[in-house]
Amino acid sequence: QQPVQSPQAVILREGEDAVINCSSSKALYSVHWYRQKHGEAPVFLMILLKGGEQKGHEKISASFNEKKQQSSLYLTASQLSYSGTYFCGTEDRSNYQLIWGAGTKLIIKP
Amino acid sequence: DTAVSQTPKYLVTQMGNDKSIKCEQNLGHDTMYWYKQDSKKFLKIMFSYNNKELIINETVPNRFSPKSPDKAHLNLHINSLELGDSAVYFCASSPLGQGNGYTFGSGTRLTVV
Repeated sequence: QQPVQSPQAVILREGEDAVINCSSSKALYSVHWYRQKHGEAPVFLMILLKGGEQKGHEKISASFNEKKQQSSLYLTASQLSYSGTYFCGTEDRSNYQLIWGAGTKLIIKP
Repeated sequence: DTAVSQTPKYLVTQMGNDKSIKCEQNLGHDTMYWYKQDSKKFLKIMFSYNNKELIINETVPNRFSPKSPDKAHLNLHINSLELGDSAVYFCASSPLGQGNGYTFGSGTRLTVV
């Protein structure tokens, strides 16, 4: 079951904040976050393994709510370089493969 | 030093042809993957492979076959190419076990005409 990402797209001005959500109908064991810039490969941002875990990566952080079966990615004081499509991936415990969300396109304007 | 390298970067070919895409990783990772990304940017797992097990996504046509000569290489061979095979194909690798991110190659844009 593919995780659901929301919103599908968001447009921000430089310096504004954004939140991207990733929800699953199944129990979550781990959540990956990746960013893909146009014409490039996805790049690993972070992974969250435990319920309630929070991680940070410069001004990008994420949380993992096991009960809600949801993870959120927070981008604060967004920079032009944050533009791209953000993907979450959840682990299929039957084969340990990642199941990817459809992506959230983030556009940062000066 | 390229961590995961794919060749070629672009591939234009006619319907019905057979083609291969090569992938090599120098990270010492145990597991390698092939993904297909369509025009809507959806990432679809095709295969995952470590030195013990090949996991095939059952929706992948058997015209697609992975070939791994050793732990550092996982090539993708495609027979009888169809128009619908046009997409970007990404190779990726990761260490074994939970808690490890994937490293992707730069992708191969396949166009079937």
